[in-house]
Order: sequence, then C-alpha cells, then structure tokens
Amino acid sequence: EVVMTQSPATLSVSPGERATLSCRASQSVSSNLAWYQHKPGQAPRLLIYGASTRATDIPARFSGSGSGTEFTLTISSLQSEDFAVYYCQQYNNWPPLTFGGGTKVEIK
Amino acid sequence: QVQLVQSGAEVKKPGASVKVSCKASGYIFTSYTMHWVRQAPGQRLEWMGWINAGNGDTKYSQKFQGRVTITRDTPATTAYMELSSLRSEDTAVYYCARMYCTSIRCYNVDHWGQGTLVTVSS
Repeated sequence: EVVMTQSPATLSVSPGERATLSCRASQSVSSNLAWYQHKPGQAPRLLIYGASTRATDIPARFSGSGSGTEFTLTISSLQSEDFAVYYCQQYNNWPPLTFGGGTKVEIK
Repeated sequence: QVQLVQSGAEVKKPGASVKVSCKASGYIFTSYTMHWVRQAPGQRLEWMGWINAGNGDTKYSQKFQGRVTITRDTPATTAYMELSSLRSEDTAVYYCARMYCTSIRCYNVDHWGQGTLVTVSS
C-alpha cells in the first residue's frame, strides 16, 4: 500500500498570502496524484489531477507540481473561501486508493 | 451538471447493518466506476471498495472484505454500499466518489457525494 504523508498538518496563513502544501508518497506514483479541497459538511472538491492539471472551474491561484514521490500544492494568494482542509490522493498503485492525512489551512 | 446525492444520516446498534445510497445524475451512469470512501473522526480518508457501474464488477479493500457489499441499480442510476456487523469503530462519514476508467487504465476521482454520517452506538 502506498502511504501518503502531508505536511504541515496545519498551516496558518493571512488572506492574500501564499500557501505551500506538501505531499510525499512512500513509493513513486508517477504523476497520478490529485488534490482535493474539503469544507465541513460539503463534498470534497477536485482541484488538481495529474499532479499539475487544474480541474474544471478551478481558479488559477491553485497550482500543483511534482512527480514521483514529492508533490506540492500552492495557493498563490489566499482568499477567504480557500480556508479548508486539503488532501492529496494517489491513483497510481491501487487498490487501495490512498490519501494523505490532510493539511488544514486556517486564518492567521 | 454531475451530482452525487447520498442518503441521510443513520444511527445503528452494534452488530446491525447499514445501507447507504448514492444517486447519480448529470452523466452516463454506466460509463463510470463508483468508489466508497469513509472518514472516521480524527482519521484520514479510507478507501473501502468500488463497483464498475457498467458491468457490476466489484473489488473491496481487504480490511472490509466479508463485511462490505457494493451494488448498483442501473435504471435508478444509484450505487449502494452496505456494511454489516457494525461496531463503534465504523462510526464515520461515508462518501461515494466517481472515477472514469477505460479498459487500460483508471483516472482520478472527480466528483464526490456530500457524505453520509453513520453512527454506531448502543
């Protein structure tokens, strides 16, 4: 099973600032990595797939990079609606699909 | 637009079973696979299994093998997840999630249901 590790667990950021979230895989997942945004009581929302491709209607301030075992999600200028929990997920070696533990982006 | 609408919250006693539904709309139901993922309090998202909505093939996580059954009703464009022999540790939010697969490979999950809280308590 591929273990996904996200850091940090919590990120305190002021609106307008840049946020950088990390995700590491225990073995190579190539570029088969997705990022999701999750707000309480809502369905998770796909942000990035293929490690770097923005999903439909996702603002350009969200960008993804990396391949193999190291990945990054960057939010260039945080808006109020971006405060949420972010998960990475690999879909290269499955079953099972595996997820990181999440990074909570909170208001500083 | 694509929508996955799940059934409402459930409260069950230990040893009982629960069946959660996921009504799909806005796309060709049989052209996609449906996964079930859960998140217990304080825990990470955990994959339970999936069904090919086209041919009904299923595969389950070893952790849940023997306790979980995923089915679908194609005319109703609805997928179901049934978990039996419930215990307190099964208290979690359960999600359905759509994934596109070809005969060669599968792609990312792109849409999720809103989640169904299942509480197991005596």
